[in-house]
Amino acid sequence: GQQVMQIPQYQHVQEGEDFTTYCNSSTTLSNIQWYKQRPGGHPVFLIQLVKSGEVKKQKRLTFQFGEAKKNSSLHITATQTTDVGTYFCAAPSGGSYIPTFGRGTSLIVHP
Amino acid sequence: GAGVSQSPSNKVTEKGKDVELRCDPISGHTALYWYRQSLGQGLEFLIYFQGNSAPDKSGLPSDRFSAERTGGSVSTLTIQRTQQEDSAVYLCASSRVGSGGSEQYFGPGTRLTVT
Repeated sequence: GQQVMQIPQYQHVQEGEDFTTYCNSSTTLSNIQWYKQRPGGHPVFLIQLVKSGEVKKQKRLTFQFGEAKKNSSLHITATQTTDVGTYFCAAPSGGSYIPTFGRGTSLIVHP
Repeated sequence: GAGVSQSPSNKVTEKGKDVELRCDPISGHTALYWYRQSLGQGLEFLIYFQGNSAPDKSGLPSDRFSAERTGGSVSTLTIQRTQQEDSAVYLCASSRVGSGGSEQYFGPGTRLTVT
């Protein structure tokens, strides 16, 4: 089945540095969702992208959906310690209703 | 309003015992999902319910795992003859519709430890 590849698996940054995680698919995606999971917590929905080339912003977070709808990115500007956690992308697999989750990118912010 | 709730929050059981995990989705959400997450790992899909029916059981690891949903609401995940490799956090999520384009709301999870 379709897989959503997410990189990097881990990212260490100094507080104030920027951070980006990427999701890639070999097939066209109908939509893509992003979730954040704090250490010891459960995934929390951040955003959904649907349109080709779509860009959405939430404060310091910028989400992009590629023109071909095969890739997506989450960029955090000037990271803070509160950004620590694992960021997952998720996208429906073909005609399935089941979102396939990427393996996640764990962000570690050093103060 | 109330979010997704799961019980118990923690469960320690001996190898070979059966366990039952419960999920209360958000009221009115027709779709319900079960996932498993091992320490430091991603989300492993187990089963999906649309209403009371389970059109996709492809993620269940073995026939020791089963799940049901009654009244289009509460769901239970049962693991029979537990094994140590079943130790993980079991997460339940619900969404308004099961279209794949509806955001999922996750519960806090049940941490299962098989000794």
